[in-house]
Amino acid sequence: EDQVTQSPEALRLQEGESSSLNCSYTVSGLRGLFWYRQDPGKGPEFLFTLYSAGEEKEKERLKATLTKKESFLHITAPKPEDSATYLCAGGNEKLTFGTGTRLTIIP
Amino acid sequence: GAVVSQHPSRVICKSGTSVKIECRSLDFQATTMFWYRQFPKQSLMLMATSNEGSKATYEQGVEKDKFLINHASLTLSTLTVTSAHPEDSSFYICSAKVRGLGETQYFGPGTRLLVL
Repeated sequence: EDQVTQSPEALRLQEGESSSLNCSYTVSGLRGLFWYRQDPGKGPEFLFTLYSAGEEKEKERLKATLTKKESFLHITAPKPEDSATYLCAGGNEKLTFGTGTRLTIIP
Repeated sequence: GAVVSQHPSRVICKSGTSVKIECRSLDFQATTMFWYRQFPKQSLMLMATSNEGSKATYEQGVEKDKFLINHASLTLSTLTVTSAHPEDSSFYICSAKVRGLGETQYFGPGTRLLVL
């Protein structure tokens, strides 16, 4: 059975304090590892797709990396507006989502 | 690019009535659309996958007769919750894949359904 596990469940950081979110996955026939950001009461917003181990992608203060078993979302010098739930998903024909990491950045 | 809209954003209905939710890809053709349900503080649960012009594929445990999906064109899919009951109250979100651009799904803003 496909499984995606995210940790930690919740993370509180001071503004400017860098950290990483973890996503462990076992997905058969993986065609991509996806990161999304979700704000309360809204649909997920696409951030990154990673296709192969060793791949990295960056967008502003976020960088996503991929190994054969895990993906990390690194956030550098976060700002309060980065507060959100970050979702990881492994995909073949369908996406299997983790339960997310609720990130709070304190000014 | 890759914008997905949903309508309505919020709906309140009486128990026993049916509710239709529309999902549109605004600036691309969607080969496949998906419908998810999300409970408070939980992750997304896939309900069904729909391809234009063919019957939807439902996930295990999702009632086909309760949640009717129609994928009328490459830019429109609808979810109808039939004979809604309070336990159907939830946040419903659709997503779409862009034709020719792999497995990335782009999500709509969601529809909050409250059944009284």
